[in-house]
Amino acid sequence: RKEVEQDPGPFNVPEGATVAFNCTYSNSASQSFFWYRQDCRKEPKLLMSVYSSGNEDGRFTAQLNRASQYISLLIRDSKLSDSATYLCVVTGSWGKLQFGAGTQVVVTP
Amino acid sequence: EAQVTQNPRYLITVTGKKLTVTCSQNMNHEYMSWYRQDPGLGLRQIYYSMNVEVTDKGDVPEGYKVSRKEKRNFPLILESPSPNQTSLYFCASSPGTFRETQYFGPGTRLLVL
Repeated sequence: RKEVEQDPGPFNVPEGATVAFNCTYSNSASQSFFWYRQDCRKEPKLLMSVYSSGNEDGRFTAQLNRASQYISLLIRDSKLSDSATYLCVVTGSWGKLQFGAGTQVVVTP
Repeated sequence: EAQVTQNPRYLITVTGKKLTVTCSQNMNHEYMSWYRQDPGLGLRQIYYSMNVEVTDKGDVPEGYKVSRKEKRNFPLILESPSPNQTSLYFCASSPGTFRETQYFGPGTRLLVL
């Protein structure tokens, strides 16, 4: 079983709609969680960190469920520019980072 | 401009010919790391470095070497490349620990024939 698992998608979303997807992780000792965005195999860029109480950044909302070991990302009012692959990142043992394979989102006009 | 640079960006080589991919950051970051990205597998960590002269294996270190002699540089060395090392490689750095935002370089596409 992979350490971090994501639904690869694609999630095809009409412009203006809401889309949500999860990421599950296997290491219960993981302490830090992130969502990164990657466009067409370019370098990943931080979208947002995920905090225990959940957090919001504009149209993006991230949640953490430690009991069930998953994090989620919700995108409201989707824009064409939101089309990308979203990578879930979880810290492992000291110094290590584990990435999910990514969830592809395609926003259509 | 604050950035992470990698060179070369594209490389085609042959099996067994030693190569080095350089990575440099100008942000005085403590933590640096190398990843490879393959379709369906996501980014996998090769090696990481908490600070100068401190390096540790990630999840897929076989066939790779690194060094961290200076804070800004973290080269990735393939002593004897093989076709299964064909991949997209990213270097990243973060200000303090691995729990902070990772800043990625633009990537190096490597093809080993």
